[in-house]
Amino acid sequence: EAGVVQSPRYKIIEKKQPVAFWCNPISGHNTLYWYRQNLGQGPELLIRYENEEAVDDSQLPKDRFSAERLKGVDSTLKIQPAELGDSAVYLCASSSSSGGNTDTQYFGPGTRLTVL
Amino acid sequence: GDSVTQMEGPVTLSEEAFLTINCTYTATGYPSLFWYVQYPGEGLQLLLKATKADDKGSNKGFEATYRKETTSFHLEKGSVQVSDSAVYFCALTHSGRRALTFGSGTRLQVQP
Repeated sequence: EAGVVQSPRYKIIEKKQPVAFWCNPISGHNTLYWYRQNLGQGPELLIRYENEEAVDDSQLPKDRFSAERLKGVDSTLKIQPAELGDSAVYLCASSSSSGGNTDTQYFGPGTRLTVL
Repeated sequence: GDSVTQMEGPVTLSEEAFLTINCTYTATGYPSLFWYVQYPGEGLQLLLKATKADDKGSNKGFEATYRKETTSFHLEKGSVQVSDSAVYFCALTHSGRRALTFGSGTRLQVQP
């Protein structure tokens, strides 16, 4: 079974430029998460999707961040414009939603963003 | 709100030493508890989990017991190997918020 796929793996941009990250979850997983991991910290949730509906986006900085999950499968996270403080690893995870909060979340390798 | 506190690292041990990484939590209701591991150059992987009080999660020689009375989920291994060198994250979810709340991670370095 293929794992969670993310691209690109690395991205370097100038501040004020836009950037987008793509995630393909494990086949059949209804729930998709985007997390941000700052250096030396644990990941923090940005947004959670149940199928195509965003059900927890309280931590997403909506002035510059946006996300979509068309057709309830792949997802894209966008930042426009990027700021220096956005430098981090952006992680995508998915789960099957069968057991509620006991479900295991499977993580992709992440996209390391550097904003210069 | 929910929070997870882990012992700060790095933890440096010799091969075959006993490992304990402390983890305590604050959460509403009855959370599920997890340990994730991040090996160098790799993504986060689930190591073990426990979903109710007194449950013991175990995998690859690692164990952790869900202690509700002390709100703890300490990770232990009887004999570490060089290949266990990684960053370990304690985390929780609960029915009101299914996203993981992570601790800050503990780096383990095992020397031959």
